[in-house]
Amino acid sequence: QKEVEQNSGPLSVPEGAIASLNCTYSDRGSQSFFWYRQYSGKSPELIMFIYSNGDKEDGRFTAQLNKASQYVSLLIRDSQPSDSATYLCAVMDSSYKLIFGSGTRLLVRP
Amino acid sequence: GAVVSQHPSWVICKSGTSVKIECRSLDFQATTMFWYRQFPKQSLMLMATSNEGSKATYEQGVEKDKFLINHASLTLSTLTVTSAHPEDSSFYICSASLASGRFNEQFFGPGTRLTVL
Repeated sequence: QKEVEQNSGPLSVPEGAIASLNCTYSDRGSQSFFWYRQYSGKSPELIMFIYSNGDKEDGRFTAQLNKASQYVSLLIRDSQPSDSATYLCAVMDSSYKLIFGSGTRLLVRP
Repeated sequence: GAVVSQHPSWVICKSGTSVKIECRSLDFQATTMFWYRQFPKQSLMLMATSNEGSKATYEQGVEKDKFLINHASLTLSTLTVTSAHPEDSSFYICSASLASGRFNEQFFGPGTRLTVL
């Protein structure tokens, strides 16, 4: 059973702080990793994907991947109230299916 | 680019009726389309994978006779919930995959909220 684990939260941070979201996965053969943001009642929107060990930065977002530890994280710098949402970690398996975690709810306090 | 639409965005129906949901890739040809279901405060669960012109592959526990998937073209897939019951009420989301190097990124539609009375 391929699993993707996330802390459900909520993770509460003050505006301007760094939010750190974490995810672990069970399938060691996974190659591609995705972070989606989902607002209530809406479908997920892709924030970032990463496939190599290390860090990948895009604006205020940084994805970090450690395949040896089967761990992927998302850092959000200068958090804004508009970042308040549920963040879904997804792992693509060998048949190109996305396995989603249960999501972490982020609350950014003004 | 890479826009996926779904229709309808919401539907309310009586128990026992069938409901059809359309998923279209508007500006690209999708090699594969996926159908997900999301219950309140839960994550997305993959229901089935479909490729144009072939039968859909259903995930374990998903009734293929209840959730009929037709992938008529590279830009259109439909999900029909047959004889819907209140427990089928959920948020149904499709995605379309554009083969792009090693990523096979999925682009999600806006979702369809189904309420069965």
